[in-house]
Amino acid sequence: AQSVTQLGSHVSVSEGALVLLRCNYSSSVPPYLFWYVQYPNQGLQLLLKYTTGATLVKGINGFEAEFKKSETSFHLTKPSAHMSDAAEYFCAVRTGANSKLTFGKGITLSVRP
Amino acid sequence: GAVVSQHPSRVICKSGTSVKIECRSLDFQATTMFWYRQFPKQSLMLMATSNEGSKATYEQGVEKDKFLINHASLTLSTLTVTSAHPEDSSFYICSARSGQGDSPLHFGNGTRLTVT
Repeated sequence: AQSVTQLGSHVSVSEGALVLLRCNYSSSVPPYLFWYVQYPNQGLQLLLKYTTGATLVKGINGFEAEFKKSETSFHLTKPSAHMSDAAEYFCAVRTGANSKLTFGKGITLSVRP
Repeated sequence: GAVVSQHPSRVICKSGTSVKIECRSLDFQATTMFWYRQFPKQSLMLMATSNEGSKATYEQGVEKDKFLINHASLTLSTLTVTSAHPEDSSFYICSARSGQGDSPLHFGNGTRLTVT
């Protein structure tokens, strides 16, 4: 079985500050890990993904995430928050190429001016 | 990039009626489509997986007779909520994949269903 834990429901940062959204996963086999962003009343957009290879993954909009097997984590970061980053962020895991995607409960990012 | 179009974006219907939601892949052939349900401030819950030309595979606890899924072509899947009740009110999102394995998922913009 696979699962994703996103602790907390809301993160608030000031514009220009570091963004850190935490994600921990559980998987019995090497996972594929994803971060998605959702704006209000819209579908999901892929930010970045880890499948194999380099553990530091760079995505769109300046986001990056690092796969740490020893910590079973895949935290999402961005050095400097922008107002347009305010949205819902979902971490997701897949345990095989054809297995289904399991989402975390999501976390709301607010950016203060 | 690959685009998935979901229609309608919002629908209000009366209790007891049926509602059809369409999910189209506009510039690629979707061999597999997924239907999710999202409650307010919660995660996406996979309802079913559909492959073109075959019956959908439903997740445990999802009523297949209530949520009818048809994937008749490589570019279109439909979800019909039959005999809708207020508790069916939710945000429904489809996603599509063009191939197997590591092919990326492309999401529609979702449908807000309100049953009165």
